[in-house]
Amino acid sequence: DIQMTQSPSSLSASVGGTVTITCRANQNVFNYLNWYQQKPGQAPKLLIYGVSNLQSGVPSRFSGSGSGTDFALSINSLQLEDFATYFCQQTYTNPIVFGQGTEVVIK
Amino acid sequence: QVQLQESGPGLVKPSETLSLTCTVSGGSITTYHWNWIRQPPGKGLEWIGYIYDNGSFSTHPSLRGRVTISEDTSRNQFSLKLTSLTAADTAVYYCARGRRGYAYANDFWGQGILVTVST
Repeated sequence: DIQMTQSPSSLSASVGGTVTITCRANQNVFNYLNWYQQKPGQAPKLLIYGVSNLQSGVPSRFSGSGSGTDFALSINSLQLEDFATYFCQQTYTNPIVFGQGTEVVIK
Repeated sequence: QVQLQESGPGLVKPSETLSLTCTVSGGSITTYHWNWIRQPPGKGLEWIGYIYDNGSFSTHPSLRGRVTISEDTSRNQFSLKLTSLTAADTAVYYCARGRRGYAYANDFWGQGILVTVST
């Protein structure tokens, strides 16, 4: 199985700030890397698919980058509604695997 | 707008079989990958498996032998059966669509259903 390692597991940030979450795969997943946001009591929401493609309706302050095994999700100008948990996901091969999650909390 | 809705029991006994159904509205299930994903309380997301356009399905190796995924195209539904339940299967179970041209990302999700395995 491909292992996905996210870091950090938690971070604190201020409204208006910028955060970057990283996700590393232990083998090449090409461009089959997606990012989700999850708020308490809600289903995950797709933010980014295929490394860097913004899902329809997602604000442009979210962006994704990377290739091969190393990827990142960046959020600029953090808004109150962005404080949540974020997961990466590889869909290159089965089993599909999610990262363990990064919780973004208010500083 | 595509919508998904899980249905099934909220409480099942150990060793029994869990049966969940996902009803899809706003689009046909005859294309895309239709996934089951679960999340134990306070933990991360675990992919269970998916069924895809010709009725075949793929499951997580750790669950192989316990999982069956099927579809009823006449009702626009797909279903999950998970056998030999233990407390470790307690989780919120989500159904979600996987979109081939979008790196198989899960672009639509159900709200989730909490399943507790307990006597």
